[in-house]
Amino acid sequence: EVQLVESGGGLVQPGGSLRLSCAVSGFTFNNFAMTWVRQAPGKGLEWVAVISGSGSSIYYADSVKGRFTISRDTSKNTVYLQMSSLRVEDTAIYYCARGPTWYVWEYIQHWGQGTRVTVSS
Amino acid sequence: QSVLTQAPSVSGAPGQRVTISCTGSTSNIGAGYDVHWYQQLPGAAPKLLIYGNNNRPSGVPDRFSGSRSGTSASLAITGLQAEDEADYYCQSYDNDLSGSVFGGGTILTVL
Repeated sequence: EVQLVESGGGLVQPGGSLRLSCAVSGFTFNNFAMTWVRQAPGKGLEWVAVISGSGSSIYYADSVKGRFTISRDTSKNTVYLQMSSLRVEDTAIYYCARGPTWYVWEYIQHWGQGTRVTVSS
Repeated sequence: QSVLTQAPSVSGAPGQRVTISCTGSTSNIGAGYDVHWYQQLPGAAPKLLIYGNNNRPSGVPDRFSGSRSGTSASLAITGLQAEDEADYYCQSYDNDLSGSVFGGGTILTVL
């Protein structure tokens, strides 16, 4: 069974940093692209970042480019989202998600339950 | 403003058919990129409903169907049931943004 378990969310002040983790199980980790999607309170889904199965291809939404970094550690079966220079508008539930293949521009086949990030003073 | 436009809400009575539209442009749906649909029940994570315009993952009832034409796509739900009450999102790729994009979401209310 595919499992995606996010952690690392919490309350952080504007300008601060936070690292989200997504521990995966139930599949061969480096065969699949991994994505982060967020959802602000009462709002819709927003694609944040994606990393290919090999980690060689990485893309970001303009809203987070230069502030967020997606990475993956095959030895730990974990994908990360390092968030810095956080803004109030980054407040959201952050979902870790898996595509159907290594390719980055596919649909999202599996979703985690999400971790909540609140940016507030 | 979402790159993909969806009506904020739609409603229907049990047993009826409803459609949810997703309007894009020549840089996403109109460029031939696939459209995918997700269902998000209240308080839950999204779930894949339709992929590649009109394909259903195993376990999704055939009451759900998708289509794409020109710069738009649609999700149709027939035989509406109370448990279909949820938020529905379309997704595609946009080559102007060089990234994935979601529609703003449509709230489905079963009357």
